[in-house]
Amino acid sequence: DAGVIQSPRHEVTEMGQEVTLRCKPISGHDYLFWYRQTMMRGLELLIYFNNNVPIDDSGMPEDRFSAKMPNASFSTLKIQPSEPRDSAVYFCASSLGTLLAKNIQYFGAGTRLSVL
Amino acid sequence: ELKVEQNPLFLSMQEGKNYTIYCNYSTTSDRLYWYRQDPGKSLESLFVLLSNGAVKQEGRLMASLDTKARLSTLHITAAVHDLSATYFCAVKTNSGYALNFGKGTSLLVTP
Repeated sequence: DAGVIQSPRHEVTEMGQEVTLRCKPISGHDYLFWYRQTMMRGLELLIYFNNNVPIDDSGMPEDRFSAKMPNASFSTLKIQPSEPRDSAVYFCASSLGTLLAKNIQYFGAGTRLSVL
Repeated sequence: ELKVEQNPLFLSMQEGKNYTIYCNYSTTSDRLYWYRQDPGKSLESLFVLLSNGAVKQEGRLMASLDTKARLSTLHITAAVHDLSATYFCAVKTNSGYALNFGKGTSLLVTP
């Protein structure tokens, strides 16, 4: 398997613009997670899905952030409008929720977002 | 709220030396994970610890878990430069499958 695939790898945008980050989880995995990593706050969970259904979105910073998972092989994280403080690396991870798989999360390469 | 604390946050050590990274967490949990992150890269799973007294070893790294003390350790034996990276511990919340990550320990191994 190719692992978790994220796109784009880098995104530079101006304040106020809409940003869409994309993620393809590992085939067969039933959990998908979105994280944000910054120097100040470390690695924060934003939202996670189980079988395409959002389970916990308590980490989503505010209404400017939204996430969807229309099917088992694709998820998006959208920021509209973007602000400079949204600059961070955004990671997507997926896992298989079985006892045998131990729910190990496999991370994508991340999207480095810079909002000017 | 589940809090996860790692120490030290920064560690510079000489090749060949031994050292331990500590991970404390605030509430009970049934799973603890260790991840490695190289600069500018993604996170790679190292170990998952499922029960009290669990010990896992891979090469020069050994992880252990004491659920009663809510403490996990990552022990580095005879460090080599290739181990330079940031190491994160993460604890699974009891109410779901979310993980709470520590701030990470940035390890630099020097000659």
